[in-house]
Amino acid sequence: AQSVTQLDSQVPVFEEAPVELRCNYSSSVSVYLFWYVQYPNQGLQLLLKYLSGSTLVKGINGFEAEFNKSQTSFHLRKPSVHISDTAEYFCAVPTGTAGNKLTFGGGTRVLVKP
Amino acid sequence: NAGVTQTPKFQVLKTGQSMTLQCAQDMNHNSMYWYRQDPGMGLRLIYYSASEGTTDKGEVPNGYNVSRLNKREFSLRLESAAPSQTSVYFCASSEASGGSYTQYFGPGTRLTVL
Repeated sequence: AQSVTQLDSQVPVFEEAPVELRCNYSSSVSVYLFWYVQYPNQGLQLLLKYLSGSTLVKGINGFEAEFNKSQTSFHLRKPSVHISDTAEYFCAVPTGTAGNKLTFGGGTRVLVKP
Repeated sequence: NAGVTQTPKFQVLKTGQSMTLQCAQDMNHNSMYWYRQDPGMGLRLIYYSASEGTTDKGEVPNGYNVSRLNKREFSLRLESAAPSQTSVYFCASSEASGGSYTQYFGPGTRLTVL
């Protein structure tokens, strides 16, 4: 079964510094991969997704992720974070019959400090 | 469009009480989902409905029942609440249930079982 592992549970970072959130997946077949963001006391919203094509995927709010098949990774990056990026970030992969379920990683909490 | 709405936002129950969490979407989506979110565990799928008239178990279905009332509405029922069901519950919907489709989330219901 496909799964995802987020290697960091918390990432403190200063404002305007770069950030990278790590996600590794396990799969022997083609994958779709998602990053979702959850701002405090809100639901999740899609940041970006990889379906096929270019391995560099650009999302909302200046985030991007790179699909690396050889390393089975889909790390999320932003070159310069803002206070408003303080949130929890989840990597997810479709699982189950026809990929009709989403399996989430444990989440990475990003705290942006002034 | 309101997107995905959930009621109530907060609820406190005593052990053994029952309640129903309501979810509705106005995006004409075919598939709907119920998740629970617990610290450090990401989101775990409780039940999902790939299309109107069908429901299937997810990863953690024990202690829950669901009803897909119509295309718009998908409710989650706790028949006899237990402290282990203290969690934040999210409803989501997607255009279809294939792996490439984005899921859209509601704002969540915070449930405490005493």
